[in-house]
Amino acid sequence: AQKVTQAQTEISVVEKEDVTLDCVYETRDTTYYLFWYKQPPSGELVFLIRRNSFDEQNEISGRYSWNFQKSTSSFNFTITASQVVDSAVYFCALSPYNQGGKLIFGQGTELSVKP
Amino acid sequence: DGGITQSPKYLFRKEGQNVTLSCEQNLNHDAMYWYRQDPGQGLRLIYYSQIVNDFQKGDIAEGYSVSREKKESFPLTVTSAQKNPTAFYLCASSIGVYQETQYFGPGTRLLVL
Repeated sequence: AQKVTQAQTEISVVEKEDVTLDCVYETRDTTYYLFWYKQPPSGELVFLIRRNSFDEQNEISGRYSWNFQKSTSSFNFTITASQVVDSAVYFCALSPYNQGGKLIFGQGTELSVKP
Repeated sequence: DGGITQSPKYLFRKEGQNVTLSCEQNLNHDAMYWYRQDPGQGLRLIYYSQIVNDFQKGDIAEGYSVSREKKESFPLTVTSAQKNPTAFYLCASSIGVYQETQYFGPGTRLLVL
């Protein structure tokens, strides 16, 4: 079975705190891609990152960083020094090999950053 | 500005009625997708299309139909056979289908009267 689990349904932090959103995936494919999307209250999904299964290097983009660990099938997302504008629902997604580009989404984690 | 547009933003359906959701993209992407999102849940794939005049069912295609007559357009019809259509519908597109990044439109919220 192919599945994405985001165990944290809701997280609440105070501005400037660091926060990590967990993502665990299941797949038997050796070639796959992982994604993170942000869904602000407006509803549109905003693309954040795409990572292939052969690239385990961590990535940093401004206050955002991603930790991909194939050994534990995890692709966690950290926001450093969170801001109120980071409040949104964040989705982790898996794109299996040779399935027409299908994305398998986790349930999402709702992040609330309070001033 | 390149992007994906969806209309209408809100749509109301009466019992037994078919309704059509519009999705247009000017990104010159080959592939297009329709997803459904229910409250507190992730997105589920309804249909996708890799090329004009071709489309495939996703995980929850029952009660839905699509067409792809033009590269830019991928309308979704919610038929009367869909018994629980209330949801948020998102359209996406990508350059190709092989694990390319999908970019999403603003969504249409469908409500049943």
